[in-house]
Amino acid sequence: LAKTTQPISMDSYEGQEVNITCSHNNIATNDYITWYQQFPSQGPRFIIQGYKTKVTNEVASLFIPADRKSSTLSLPRVSLSDTAVYYCLVFNFGNEKLTFGTGTRLTIIP
Amino acid sequence: EAGVAQSPRYKIIEKRQSVAFWCNPISGHATLYWYQQILGQGPKLLIQFQNNGVVDDSQLPKDRFSAERLKGVDSTLKIQPAKLEDSAVYLCASSSLTDLYGGGYTFGSGTRLTVV
Repeated sequence: LAKTTQPISMDSYEGQEVNITCSHNNIATNDYITWYQQFPSQGPRFIIQGYKTKVTNEVASLFIPADRKSSTLSLPRVSLSDTAVYYCLVFNFGNEKLTFGTGTRLTIIP
Repeated sequence: EAGVAQSPRYKIIEKRQSVAFWCNPISGHATLYWYQQILGQGPKLLIQFQNNGVVDDSQLPKDRFSAERLKGVDSTLKIQPAKLEDSAVYLCASSSLTDLYGGGYTFGSGTRLTVV
């Protein structure tokens, strides 16, 4: 399984755009990149998923370069409610398992 | 759509006692997972079911942990006897292949276990 590396923590001010970069140097051809968000006392929640280039939904954007060895989660105009832990994961549909790292603890400052 | 239901929400027990957690997945989801999340860490997969069969239980401490998914719907996770290091949040998640292509797993809110 491809291991992921992401910053342990990040701080940002309200209204800013936040970019969290994740490296996954050993990603396999069949692997997808997925991001989850976790608030205290809740289970992780799916944010976005992609294979290559750029994916955008109502919550975030995901940028994946051509070599797919890294990815960047972009959160536009963050608010205090975006304070959470963000996990970058790599998985394939063959085994359906998600292997979590320690994630990035994002703190939004008013 | 109803989410993944888990109970109880909190549980405090003494070491060497037993405890059981219950999970009701999203209707129609064939795959069910139990994760253990220790404070400050990411969730760790304990066991994965496909319908009522076990797909992966390689990280389940089988000397004290057991899980079942009768009839391929609800699931229970049991710990007997509990140790202090079992204090954690136990998360249940479910998925279907269709959901994975369009999104991801759905997690419950978890059961916070404290062993004293």
